[in-house]
Amino acid sequence: GQQVMQIPQYQHVQEGEDFTTYCNSSTTLSNIQWYKQRPGGHPVFLIQLVKSGEVKKQKRLTFQFGEAKKNSSLHITATQTTDVGTYFCAGLGGYQKVTFGTGTKLQVIP
Amino acid sequence: NAGVTQTPKFRILKIGQSMTLQCAQDMNHNYMYWYRQDPGMGLKLIYYSVGAGITDKGEVPNGYNVSRSTTEDFPLRLELAAPSQTSVYFCASSTGNTIYFGEGSWLTVV
Repeated sequence: GQQVMQIPQYQHVQEGEDFTTYCNSSTTLSNIQWYKQRPGGHPVFLIQLVKSGEVKKQKRLTFQFGEAKKNSSLHITATQTTDVGTYFCAGLGGYQKVTFGTGTKLQVIP
Repeated sequence: NAGVTQTPKFRILKIGQSMTLQCAQDMNHNYMYWYRQDPGMGLKLIYYSVGAGITDKGEVPNGYNVSRSTTEDFPLRLELAAPSQTSVYFCASSTGNTIYFGEGSWLTVV
């Protein structure tokens, strides 16, 4: 079945440093979505990428979808303590089956 | 709009007991999902549904059952609870794009 892996599993950064998480799927995806989960909370939708090579920005966050539609990345510029949480990518396969990546837990040190 | 509502929020179950986690959404979404999240881990798909009367297995369906008699409701049934089912359970719904999560149900099996 479809597998979606993310690296790194954990990342500690000093506040102000940049952060990147990478997402790789075993199969080609129709689209990819990114979610953020704060500690003790539920995942919250950030963005969806659909087109091959697509790049989208949300303030300090930059999202990319690979040319082969099998990988994606999320880059945060100048991290803040409010960025703390776990970031998940999620790939849409056949029949609306959504598979979440393993997640990257971000800790920001003030 | 209440969004996705899950009950109960917390439950302690004894080994061998059965229970149903309730999930309801008021957004008229066709797609609904049940995920489990073990401590510090990612989201694993248990079951999903693309519409009333249609359900399908996800990655970890063993020990669970679902039904989808209406668009709004998607209950998850645990039969013969085992300690390995201690987890946080998230119900979610989607239009096919953004996935909206409930706040989660914390289940402990002792």
